[in-house]
Amino acid sequence: QVQLHESGPGLVKPSETLSLTCTVSGGSVRNYWWSWIRQPPGKGLEWIGYIYYSGNTNYNPSLKSRVTISVDTSKNQLSLKLSSVTAADTAVYYCARVDGGGCDFWGQGTLVTVSS
Amino acid sequence: EIVLTQSPDFQSVTPKEKVTITCRASQNIGTSLYWYQQKPDQSPKLLIKYASQSFSGVPSRFSGSGSGTDFTLTINSLEAEDAATYYCHQSDSLPQTFGQGTKVEIK
Repeated sequence: QVQLHESGPGLVKPSETLSLTCTVSGGSVRNYWWSWIRQPPGKGLEWIGYIYYSGNTNYNPSLKSRVTISVDTSKNQLSLKLSSVTAADTAVYYCARVDGGGCDFWGQGTLVTVSS
Repeated sequence: EIVLTQSPDFQSVTPKEKVTITCRASQNIGTSLYWYQQKPDQSPKLLIKYASQSFSGVPSRFSGSGSGTDFTLTINSLEAEDAATYYCHQSDSLPQTFGQGTKVEIK
């Protein structure tokens, strides 16, 4: 069974860059799209963007100027970078595998708080 | 951007009752519609793909229907473990979007 695990700093200062890694186990990143999705505390889900294992990406226009998603097939990892963060970027960040459009496997999520 | 509007926002239901949640898309998305269940402090879990296909391992009391702009998630004979927030999600066009969620509480 595919498992995903997000990791990274839980606290980021305003104006700095949020950096997260998603490690995939029990399967390969190859031949799939992989999404990053976030959820502010007590709120709904927001799609950040996704990446194909070959490196093709698509981002949410609302975040496009600040987001970079990359993949390292040798490490079976994805990464998310979000620059110039503000308190509005405080959220649980999830990585998920995309299969036929929907997300069939999700990580447990990691809470990132933006605060000085 | 396609807006997904779920109704109701909240539902309080007695065990064994039938639950119906609707998701309306602001434009035609065919059957590129997915349903997820999210329990407190857990990640979402896929229930239904392509509007009506059950994901592997999902109990048969969960079913989905619809196409175009109107979709429905039905939970037949609600069980206590079904208390959760349910989200619809479209992947027909970018950016992908989610409904605002429907919280189902057990009376």
